[in-house]
Amino acid sequence: DQQVKQNSPSLSVQEGRISILNCDYTNSMFDYFLWYKKYPAEGPTFLISISSIKDKNEDGRFTVFLNKSAKHLSLHIVPSQPGDSAVYFCAARMKTSYDKVIFGPGTSLSVIP
Amino acid sequence: EPEVTQTPSHQVTQMGQEVILRCVPISNHLYFYWYRQILGQKVEFLVSFYNNEISEKSEIFDDQFSVERPDGSNFTLKIRSTKLEDSAMYFCASSEESLAGGPSSYNEQFFGPGTRLTVL
Repeated sequence: DQQVKQNSPSLSVQEGRISILNCDYTNSMFDYFLWYKKYPAEGPTFLISISSIKDKNEDGRFTVFLNKSAKHLSLHIVPSQPGDSAVYFCAARMKTSYDKVIFGPGTSLSVIP
Repeated sequence: EPEVTQTPSHQVTQMGQEVILRCVPISNHLYFYWYRQILGQKVEFLVSFYNNEISEKSEIFDDQFSVERPDGSNFTLKIRSTKLEDSAMYFCASSEESLAGGPSSYNEQFFGPGTRLTVL
């Protein structure tokens, strides 16, 4: 059941450069998309979200882009900082099942100083 | 800053034993959730709880699982007879309101640090 996919298990980026994390989904019933960040020994922390009726949402260094026709979203972090090193989960919420957040497998981001 | 807390941080149990995982959600939150993450796999939704009853559950949440809010602050997940495959990180989460805010809103779920359950 791979409704939310993150095909890159890991990504390394130099400090100051842009990090781009990608996510694909298969279910057209998703109406909200989320990015969570997770450090070791901690729970996931909400980072940014985007509604299916928008194509971009920006919050400081973080921007999420949504391409509904391609069923693709991406998280851009610019400039990347060493403290951004974490696992990033793409997740989605369904119109018919609001309580349930479906997570992708995660991408481990390493920002190299 | 208010946070979700979970105890214990690590629980080791024998197969077939009952375990209770405890969570203290953020105090003004009304909606509570349990998720789990088996090592190397994705975070999976188990159950949501509101107004003292389950509002939604996944296919993973079978008769071996139950949830309870025994008092005004704790939210527990009980596994009646643990299996080896129950070994995972269990995360509790809470939110102020339901996630059902419509397409223009999302009410953030705040996650606890997790309890690592090891079934031997």
